Amino acid sequence: SQQGEEDPQALSIQEGENATMNCSYKTSINNLQWYRQNSGRGLVHLILIRSNEREKHSGRLRVTLDTSKKSSSLLITASRAADTASYFCARRNQGGKLIFGQGTELSVKP
Amino acid sequence: SQTIHQWPATLVQPVGSPLSLECTVEGTSNPNLYWYRQAAGRGLQLLFYSVGIGQISSEVPQNLSASRPQDWQFILSSKKLLLSDSGFYLCAWKSYRRDTGELFFGEGSRLTVL
Repeated sequence: SQQGEEDPQALSIQEGENATMNCSYKTSINNLQWYRQNSGRGLVHLILIRSNEREKHSGRLRVTLDTSKKSSSLLITASRAADTASYFCARRNQGGKLIFGQGTELSVKP
Repeated sequence: SQTIHQWPATLVQPVGSPLSLECTVEGTSNPNLYWYRQAAGRGLQLLFYSVGIGQISSEVPQNLSASRPQDWQFILSSKKLLLSDSGFYLCAWKSYRRDTGELFFGEGSRLTVL
């Protein structure tokens, strides 16, 4: 499959804890993107990391990329109940189209 | 600023009936447009994409078709719906100027085929 694979499929944590989601892929990339989807809504772009970058921050989000292991992780620090959503990684394939993984469903309990 | 609209938001259709979902993008010209489908609890499957008027590429052979009659308009259609067509359909756009590939999504159309 060309899709990225997220791990875990579901994650339940308490408010204030950190949440880590992982994404693996099989072919080379020029960038990897993370998106968020609230239940029943469209996806919202969170952060993009290029293949020549190893780490990137945006507010409480931290993304890492290890091209040698073909993997990326998304860390949400000091989680809030409002962070409850599904999170997807996506990468551009050689044809330039964005291929999404199956997602991680995050539940943050107040 | 750019906006994307999808409608209808919810649709319940009998098997064998036709389908038309519409997506429009405002505030940008010559966007790349995409239709994705999301089954319950699953990831997104790319169905169609378009780089310009009348230019449609299909990713998965199926019961659906797409058209782009205007630069800002992308339509997903079916002549006869199947039960397996049920799902959450998402339209998205990307600026042709940006190589990074960031997509902007609409709010989706939930289709239930009975």
